[in-house]
Amino acid sequence: NAGVTQTPKFRVLKTGQSMTLLCAQDMNHEYMYWYRQDPGMGLRLIHYSVGEGTTAKGEVPDGYNVSRLKKQNFLLGLESAAPSQTSVYFCASSTGQRGSGELFFGEGSRLTVL
Amino acid sequence: AQSVTQLDSQVPVFEEAPVELRCNYSSSVSVYLFWYVQYPNQGLQLLLKYLSGSTLVKGINGFEAEFNKSQTSFHLRKPSVHISDTAEYFCAVSRINTDKLIFGTGTRLQVFP
Repeated sequence: NAGVTQTPKFRVLKTGQSMTLLCAQDMNHEYMYWYRQDPGMGLRLIHYSVGEGTTAKGEVPDGYNVSRLKKQNFLLGLESAAPSQTSVYFCASSTGQRGSGELFFGEGSRLTVL
Repeated sequence: AQSVTQLDSQVPVFEEAPVELRCNYSSSVSVYLFWYVQYPNQGLQLLLKYLSGSTLVKGINGFEAEFNKSQTSFHLRKPSVHISDTAEYFCAVSRINTDKLIFGTGTRLQVFP
């Protein structure tokens, strides 16, 4: 049972480089999310999607872009990485049934920007 | 907008002792409330949730939480903790009928033998 899979799990970038984090879910979930986790700040929502072809901004969207071309995949892009984007990134998905509240998380992707 | 405050960043306890992790929320509309747990180097998983009905909610691993609307609180409790409960615990809130969760800053529960 794969659930939510994130790749890569670790990445080191230099300032100004670009990269894409891939999230794949095999539960046929409608909703998908990208969060970042920083010490003392909990999880903050970057972007989310309520269905294939849709995306929306969360709490901290600046410096990130996302795409949901296929229902099972949600990509998070950094066009020009900055040290402030050093973080652990979590992808999550949910059924979209109103109020279920259960998000299924991947194991995280640790990004370091030098 | 909704917000969540977890009052304790760390809670150290001895094994078999009771524990309470505190969570207060702020919202001008009705909300759903959740507790998630994160074990080291893993993603988060749902412990329990309050949507409606009974204000005492039971979750996995012997945890329970009580919704108190007048005090805008949703504290998590366990009567006797185990070493394996060592983890970070996150309280979260969402507006009703949405899945857009706002998380608190987390409480690290450290259980000592």
